[in-house]
Amino acid sequence: EVQLVESGGGLVQPGGSLRLSCTASGFTFSSYWMHWVRQAPGKGLMWVSPINSDGSVTPYADSVKGRFTISRDNAKNTVYLQMNSLRAEDTAVYYCARGGNYIENPFEYWGQGTLVTVSS
Amino acid sequence: QSALTQPPSASGSPGQSVTISCTGTSSDVGNYNYVSWYQQHPGKAPKLMIYEVNKRPSGVPDRFSGSKSGNTASLTVSGLQAEDEADYYCSSYAGGNKVVFGTGTKVTVL
Repeated sequence: EVQLVESGGGLVQPGGSLRLSCTASGFTFSSYWMHWVRQAPGKGLMWVSPINSDGSVTPYADSVKGRFTISRDNAKNTVYLQMNSLRAEDTAVYYCARGGNYIENPFEYWGQGTLVTVSS
Repeated sequence: QSALTQPPSASGSPGQSVTISCTGTSSDVGNYNYVSWYQQHPGKAPKLMIYEVNKRPSGVPDRFSGSKSGNTASLTVSGLQAEDEADYYCSSYAGGNKVVFGTGTKVTVL
C-alpha cells in the first residue's frame, strides 16, 4: 500500500524558515517524480514544486522561486521542502504527492497534508 | 503561470449529470493531453479521478468521464450520487516542467 506521510508543519513568524518532510512507503521511491502542492485556508490547490527521480530537476512556481528548495533522499524514501523567508501568504496545508516516471504524469497518491501557519 | 479557469459552483439532483469546464490556454490545456481531474472532500486530500483527459484510474466509477476541445477540458459526472458532492480541480501540464491547477468547482447534489 502506497503511503505518504508529511511532517514538519507548524507556526512560524514572517521571515522565518521551516523544513517539511514527506516519507514514502509501498513503492520504489527512487523511480518517481515527487511534488509539493499547497492549499491556503478555504482556497484552491496550488502546485509548488516537483523533483525528478534523481533530484537533478527541481522547478518551482514563480511565487516560491528563490525562497523554497525541494530535495530528496532516496536512501530514506523522503522528499523535503525547505521554506525560507516565509510570508503570510505561504500559510497553507502542504501536501506531497507522487507523480509518475515523467513530470506530465498525474498525482496518483497524496499525503494527508501538514499545516504551515505564518503569523506573528 | 495563471490558474486554469473553472466555474465556482455546479449542481444537480441525484441521478442527473453535471459537467464542469476547465479553460486554459494554448500553452497548457490546448497544447497537451495531460489534463487531470481531482476530487476533494472537506478536510481530505485530493483524489485522482481522471488523467490524460479521459482515462480513469482503477476504482473510479465509470460515471466520471473527461473530454477536451481546444483550450477547454471538461469533467462530466453522470448519475449523480450524494457522495459526489465535493470540490473538483483540474490540472494541466504547462510545458517547461510546470503544472497548473484550476480554480476549483464546488459540486452540490441537490
